[in-house]
Amino acid sequence: AQKVTQAQTEISVVEKEDVTLDCVYETRDTTYYLFWYKQPPSGELVFLIRRNSFDEQNEISGRYSWNFQKSTSSFNFTITASQVVDSAVYFCALSGANTGGFKTIFGAGTRLFVKA
Amino acid sequence: NAGVMQNPRHLVRRRGQEARLRCSPVKGHSHVYWYRQLPEEGLKFMVYLQKENIIDESGMPKERFSAEFPKEGPSILRIQQVVRGDSAAYFCASSPQPGQGFYSNQPQHFGDGTRLSIL
Repeated sequence: AQKVTQAQTEISVVEKEDVTLDCVYETRDTTYYLFWYKQPPSGELVFLIRRNSFDEQNEISGRYSWNFQKSTSSFNFTITASQVVDSAVYFCALSGANTGGFKTIFGAGTRLFVKA
Repeated sequence: NAGVMQNPRHLVRRRGQEARLRCSPVKGHSHVYWYRQLPEEGLKFMVYLQKENIIDESGMPKERFSAEFPKEGPSILRIQQVVRGDSAAYFCASSPQPGQGFYSNQPQHFGDGTRLSIL
């Protein structure tokens, strides 16, 4: 079975703080992709990153960074120096070869509030 | 270079009416996926279609829901005799080949969703 767990339902920080969103996944596949999406209050889904299971290199993109650790089945997302515009719901997602490669399993999401 | 287009953006129906949600994939994409997001939840897979074929409808309720992706025109998700529990955001995604990049370098592209409200 495939599963994505985002244990943090809501996080509230003050602007300029760093914040880490946790994601733990379960899969029996050896080949899979992990994703993060942002859903701002307007409701659309904004693609942030895709990482395949063979690439454990951490990635940094501006104030965003991702830490992929296969040993703990985690794919955590850190926002450095958070801004009010970062307020949104963030979804971690998994797509594994076992599902035929076409279903994406989403976590329940973490709602981030960044206060000015 | 338009992305996935969904319409309407918002749809209001009364209980018992029919809801038709449309999804135009990225030009050249022949694979379409529908997901449902209930309030305060993540997205759940409903159905995967290729042109004129349903490949996997394991996430779609057996009754009242149907989906099609004709040779010409958009993909349609139809909900008959809507009930309050159908209120949700419905997202469509497309890809040039199956899946999130297993057979290509392109992830699924998501539309902005249709927010369905049932009165």
